[in-house]
Amino acid sequence: SAVISQKPSRDICQRGTSLTIQCQVDSQVTMMFWYRQQPGQSLTLIATANQGSEATYESGFVIDKFPISRPNLTFSTLTVSNMSPEDSSIYLCRAGGSYNEQFFGPGTRLTVL
Amino acid sequence: AQSVAQPEDQVNVAEGNPLTVKCTYSVSGNPYLFWYVQYPNRGLQFLLKYITGDNLVKGSYGFEAEFNKSQTSFHLKKPSALVSDSALYFCAVRDMNYGGSQGNLIFGKGTKLSVKP
Repeated sequence: SAVISQKPSRDICQRGTSLTIQCQVDSQVTMMFWYRQQPGQSLTLIATANQGSEATYESGFVIDKFPISRPNLTFSTLTVSNMSPEDSSIYLCRAGGSYNEQFFGPGTRLTVL
Repeated sequence: AQSVAQPEDQVNVAEGNPLTVKCTYSVSGNPYLFWYVQYPNRGLQFLLKYITGDNLVKGSYGFEAEFNKSQTSFHLKKPSALVSDSALYFCAVRDMNYGGSQGNLIFGKGTKLSVKP
């Protein structure tokens, strides 16, 4: 099984600033996924990140707001830009080689004041 | 449209009693179904999955789920609940819009399980 870590685990940020969340996997994976879980809500896919290519964003999410990097097969970052209180959520990364192996990071709890 | 429904926002069970957390799905083709658990201030932990084979799937922490194709359901069950089972449970299904063996999961809205001593 893969072990996924995220940094930071939580942060409190001011409106208008940006935060970069890191996701590290202990094994090489082709696809990494970034989700948002707003308070009391289910998980919503933000984007899919493949190594060596541009991230693919879901409807309602754009690269300028959520730029993603995927420099290698074990690491990805998600930046939440120009934050507003509506961005307060838990952000989770997910990685896995196939549907038989689906693992989530512990999440980053973001509060925007 | 693909979807996952968890009709109960909250399920309350006494410790030692059996528990059921309901999930129904709507997808085309053969579904890949998953259950995850989220403890407070934690990420999602994989419990079990159905890909193919036996309709009764056994997973972590004594949980099991039964795939029922005719009822398009995948209810999570445990014969004897523990207080430590109290958490948020998510049902998910493979997003059929993604090809291949990897891709997105569509999640239900979650069911809060509360087990009282």
